[in-house]
Amino acid sequence: GAVVSQHPSRVICKSGTSVKIECRSLDFQATTMFWYRQFPKKSLMLMATSNEGSKATYEQGVEKDKFLINHASLTLSTLTVTSAHPEDSSFYICSASAGSSYNSPLHFGNGTRLTVT
Amino acid sequence: AQTVTQSQPEMSVQEAETVTLSCTYDTSESDYYLFWYKQPPSRQMILVIRQEAYKQQNATENRFSVNFQKAAKSFSLKISDSQLGDAAMYFCAYTPTYKYIFGTGTRLKVLA
Repeated sequence: GAVVSQHPSRVICKSGTSVKIECRSLDFQATTMFWYRQFPKKSLMLMATSNEGSKATYEQGVEKDKFLINHASLTLSTLTVTSAHPEDSSFYICSASAGSSYNSPLHFGNGTRLTVT
Repeated sequence: AQTVTQSQPEMSVQEAETVTLSCTYDTSESDYYLFWYKQPPSRQMILVIRQEAYKQQNATENRFSVNFQKAAKSFSLKISDSQLGDAAMYFCAYTPTYKYIFGTGTRLKVLA
């Protein structure tokens, strides 16, 4: 089956530093990947849609200069949290679809727990 | 606005029994897809079942089945013969395009 690998699974960083999270589709090509944020005991909130070879599309209220997304290849998208602050601490999950149509099920990475001290 | 509502924050079921998780959604679209995802303590999101809105037949996957009522905009998940491994957060999701809209989730506890 389609596998999405996300790395790192956990990261602790100091306030003011930047953190990069990688999302890879291991056995399929993903033109589009999605980045979600999940607060404790809450649902998944779509942050942005990552498009290979073009700029990401950010959801309303998500700072694009804060959360930099790069989708340089069909198998890799990265999310960089710049100048992280404690309020950025959260669980970040990436996902990708193995199919070509919008209704193809999403396959999720294992998530990254970010803690900013 | 397109929304997905899961009115049961938490549910419990005895092992081997049947439980139904509810989900309603609001949309003006006629063509869309609905999904149930499971998130166990590992936090890995796992697809449980999907339903295409233009299909009247309810989807089934082994012990999992849905009751899709398009007119009522309802999409409930029935888990039969519940197992301890079914304990998880369950999220209902709706998508008319490439964007998935998730409900707030239902935590399912399975009692031995």
